[in-house]
Amino acid sequence: AQTVTQSQPEMSVQEAETVTLSCTYDTSESDYYLFWYKQPPSRQMILVIRQEAYKQQNATENRFSVNFQKAAKSFSLKISDSQLGDAAMYFCAYRITYKYIFGTGTRLKVLA
Amino acid sequence: DTAVSQTPKYLVTQMGNDKSIKCEQNLGHDTMYWYKQDSKKFLKIMFSYNNKELIINETVPNRFSPKSPDKAHLNLHINSLELGDSAVYFCASSQWGFEAGELFFGEGSRLTVL
Repeated sequence: AQTVTQSQPEMSVQEAETVTLSCTYDTSESDYYLFWYKQPPSRQMILVIRQEAYKQQNATENRFSVNFQKAAKSFSLKISDSQLGDAAMYFCAYRITYKYIFGTGTRLKVLA
Repeated sequence: DTAVSQTPKYLVTQMGNDKSIKCEQNLGHDTMYWYKQDSKKFLKIMFSYNNKELIINETVPNRFSPKSPDKAHLNLHINSLELGDSAVYFCASSQWGFEAGELFFGEGSRLTVL
């Protein structure tokens, strides 16, 4: 069964510091896609970053980057220079045929 | 212009009632979804439709009946509401295919069953 595991229910980071959120997944497929979504208190789901499994290069989007370890089935999100607006729930997701499977989420608190 | 819009945003109703949530996307996507987010924020897929055809039904009770009149619309009707149905329901869409089509979400509909 395909599963996505986020082992950190909650994380805290000081403003301007760096934080890494963990995600592991289980799959038998070789080609797939991984995503990180952010859900602020407004409850809107916002795409942060995506990674294609066939690409070895780690994806980056401004202050957000991933560490994709295909063999280990690990897909962590690094947020650099954390800002107050980064405070939110973060969900890791894995795309398979006609569905996206989400992890249980990590609540990120940013301390001023 | 909202890409994925769902109405209503909030519903409060009594146990046993029936309610509907409507969803429309203007992205030209061919696949639409309903997700349920419970009080612990866990997001679970309920249904996915591709070109109006039901593709996935994740062991959702028969009280939930989705309907897709065309590929831009996916509505959700819930009969005989129960307390456990209280949640946020998200409609979403994506373009299926080789490229990593991201999932676009609506703003969610918070259902409270009293």
